[in-house]
Amino acid sequence: KNEVEQSPQNLTAQEGEFITINCSYSVGISALHWLQQHPGGGIVSLFMLSSGKKKHGRLIATINIQEKHSSLHITASHPRDSAVYICAVRRRYSGGGADGLTFGKGTHLIIQP
Amino acid sequence: GAVVSQHPSRVICKSGTSVKIECRSLDFQATTMFWYRQFPKQSLMLMATSNEGSKATYEQGVEKDKFLINHASLTLSTLTVTSAHPEDSSFYICSARRREDYSYNEQFFGPGTRLTVL
Repeated sequence: KNEVEQSPQNLTAQEGEFITINCSYSVGISALHWLQQHPGGGIVSLFMLSSGKKKHGRLIATINIQEKHSSLHITASHPRDSAVYICAVRRRYSGGGADGLTFGKGTHLIIQP
Repeated sequence: GAVVSQHPSRVICKSGTSVKIECRSLDFQATTMFWYRQFPKQSLMLMATSNEGSKATYEQGVEKDKFLINHASLTLSTLTVTSAHPEDSSFYICSARRREDYSYNEQFFGPGTRLTVL
């Protein structure tokens, strides 16, 4: 079982719909990231969370540390939101001195006009 | 601010050759840079953590003699894939953490390098 699980894997929705992407993790973490990856491969960091909720424009990210769960919401979705959304965690205790991120497999989102 | 560049963006090479990929922080100093690899339809995987002026820390299963990492300055880390083989074909992405963000762990990602080994 992956340490970071995302759902759904694929999501197609109509423009304007409210979108929710979920992320569950099984390790202790110090931070959780939501990232956006466009078809060319470049990655943009959307949020970094350690507790509570953050909002940026039409994007909202929440995290429940006790339940080891985070959600990314997109309000009034638009075709330009089409991308892969990736959840990644920084483990609280990392072996070997490395403290990079552990990633989920991503959610492929397509917003149709 | 906080822009990370990678060069080249795409590279095609013959099996057995070595390829160097550069990761630069353009407007900040990065004490730590991370190298990730992404195979098609799979999630990103951490390969190694690179700290300026010291040896890189490699993840389990990543061959340090094959993937040479040098972090000689606060703005540049390089990944050299030595004696590349077709199975090394992948998308390589770096990220950088600002010197002042050590405990905060904000990471800024480069645009990635797509390596194809023929």
